[in-house]
Amino acid sequence: DTAVSQTPKYLVTQMGNDKSIKCEQNLGHDTMYWYKQDSKKFLKIMFSYNNKELIINETVPNRFSPKSPDKAHLNLHINSLELGDSAVYFCASSQGRGGREAFFGQGTRLTVV
Amino acid sequence: LAKTTQPISMDSYEGQEVNITCSHNNIATNDYITWYQQFPSQGPRFIIQGYKTKVTNEVASLFIPADRKSSTLSLPRVSLSDTAVYYCLAGGYNKLIFGAGTRLAVHP
Repeated sequence: DTAVSQTPKYLVTQMGNDKSIKCEQNLGHDTMYWYKQDSKKFLKIMFSYNNKELIINETVPNRFSPKSPDKAHLNLHINSLELGDSAVYFCASSQGRGGREAFFGQGTRLTVV
Repeated sequence: LAKTTQPISMDSYEGQEVNITCSHNNIATNDYITWYQQFPSQGPRFIIQGYKTKVTNEVASLFIPADRKSSTLSLPRVSLSDTAVYYCLAGGYNKLIFGAGTRLAVHP
């Protein structure tokens, strides 16, 4: 039973399209995150939600919009996709805000062509 | 911001102890130090977390000096399956900063 699951695992799309990545956790955690890992393997936080409230919003283009319908879900919607958006996106969850043990999903490899 | 600095890569042999040091000069009072392990095509996996002094679990130890400006992850008797990227994280309420990661290669 997967703790943090993301869908899809792979996503290939054309420039200019709009796409969404879904994330669900069944750990009962109150905090969820989105991270971006680029080709050089740098992991950068994009967003963090605690009890459906946005608590971290890094310098991310407005084309990226997270949505948290409930504590168990944090989806990432991306408008007008660009080549530079190609990366692996990881969803994670933890109990408590920041600095606590986080559980990561398997990642979504987004390729924009 | 508690930016972290780690060696880019390390090599070791099976059965040896490996120590990876992370520098976090600007760590905040409320920040914890956490280490993650990542295998190819997988998400990072939690290894260990600490605030000060020494923490030990079944897979690793974490040493944090009194000034907390650095920390050392110690992996006892590594095996080939420990080949991975190890990330040092200094985080607190409003910032979660991953280091660039240390690529550990364990050789037979």
